[in-house]
Amino acid sequence: EIVLTQSPGTLSLSPGESATLSCRASQSVTSSYLAWYQQKPGQAPRLLIHGAASRATGIPERFSGSGYGTDFSLTINRLEPEDFAVYYCQQYGSSPYTFGQGTKLEIK
Amino acid sequence: EVQLVQSGAEVKKPGESLKISCKASGYSFTNYWIGWVRQMPGKGLEWMGIIYPGDSDTRYSPSFQDQVTISADKSVSTVFLQWGSLRASDTAMYFCARRGDNWYFDRWGRGTLVTVSS
Repeated sequence: EIVLTQSPGTLSLSPGESATLSCRASQSVTSSYLAWYQQKPGQAPRLLIHGAASRATGIPERFSGSGYGTDFSLTINRLEPEDFAVYYCQQYGSSPYTFGQGTKLEIK
Repeated sequence: EVQLVQSGAEVKKPGESLKISCKASGYSFTNYWIGWVRQMPGKGLEWMGIIYPGDSDTRYSPSFQDQVTISADKSVSTVFLQWGSLRASDTAMYFCARRGDNWYFDRWGRGTLVTVSS
């Protein structure tokens, strides 16, 4: 089973700043099958990035993903108020399709 | 439009059984895997397992093997998650999600809240 470790656990930033979230895998992620989700209270996860770097349909350009192998990151430029939420990475190349423990992005 | 519609919230007692559902529409149900994800109160997302409705091939996370059963009924385009004997620790939100053409999970249900309390 691939274990995903996200850091930091909580990130405190102000609107307009940029955020970089990290996701490290315990072993190489098959074919960069790594996704990022945003989740707000009471809602289902929202797909942001798939294939490590491809934005999902309708996702603003300020969201970008990068990385390969075991190290991945999600960058959010020019934070908007609606971006403050919890973010999860997930690898979907090797069953079980594990999630990281999440990074909470909060308003400073 | 691809949609996954989950059954409503449930309140159960410890030891009772339960089967919740995820009804798919807007695509060929038998050709796409559907998985289940647990989210305990205030906690993160946990992958439970996945089923291919075409032939009912099912894979479980080791953490959930023997704890739950995932099944599918092609006649009603619905995937199920069931428990034989609920515990208080099963209290959580449960999401279903479709695995799309490029393997990532592209559609999610809104979730079913299961509360287990005596």
